[in-house]
Amino acid sequence: GQQLNQSPQSMFIQEGEDVSMNCTSSSIFNTWLWYKQEPGEGPVLLIALYKAGELTSNGRLTAQFGITRKDSFLNISASIPSDVGIYFCAGQLRTNAGKSTFGDGTTLTVKP
Amino acid sequence: NAGVTQTPKFQVLKTGQSMTLQCAQDMNHNSMYWYRQDPGMGLRLIYYSASEGTTDKGEVPNGYNVSRLNKREFSLRLESAAPSQTSVYFCASSYRDRAVGAFFGQGTRLTVV
Repeated sequence: GQQLNQSPQSMFIQEGEDVSMNCTSSSIFNTWLWYKQEPGEGPVLLIALYKAGELTSNGRLTAQFGITRKDSFLNISASIPSDVGIYFCAGQLRTNAGKSTFGDGTTLTVKP
Repeated sequence: NAGVTQTPKFQVLKTGQSMTLQCAQDMNHNSMYWYRQDPGMGLRLIYYSASEGTTDKGEVPNGYNVSRLNKREFSLRLESAAPSQTSVYFCASSYRDRAVGAFFGQGTRLTVV
């Protein structure tokens, strides 16, 4: 089956710093999704990407759909303490719309 | 709006016991899913239901059964719980024909001893 490799596994940063994380796949996806999960909660969708090369922002978050369709990137600018959580990438094939393959997550810790 | 509601939130089972995890959504979504999340790992799909009346296996279906009771409700049953099924279980729902991501419940933390 498809596999997603998400890196880094964890990040410890200072408040105000920028953050970058990425996700690579062994196969092509038609949709890339980025979720955030806070302790004791389910994942919440942050950004959805639908076309190769697409760059989409949501506040301080920016995500890109890689040109090869096998990767995606998430950047967080000027991090704040409430950015703490686990960030997951997920890929979808159009034929299985809604059924996602998830990466293992990047755990972000922000030190005030 | 409640979104996706899962019950119970916590459960401890003995090996061999059975139980059903309940999930309901009020967003009129066609598709519903059950995922499990183990420490340090992403979510793995157990079963999904693309629409009312249909169910399909996901990546890790062994040891589980599901029922799509109606458009709103999708239950997950463990017939004979095993310690390997200790995990956090998430139910999610989405539109069937739009790849816009899913809405997740708060999870059920299950421990099998």
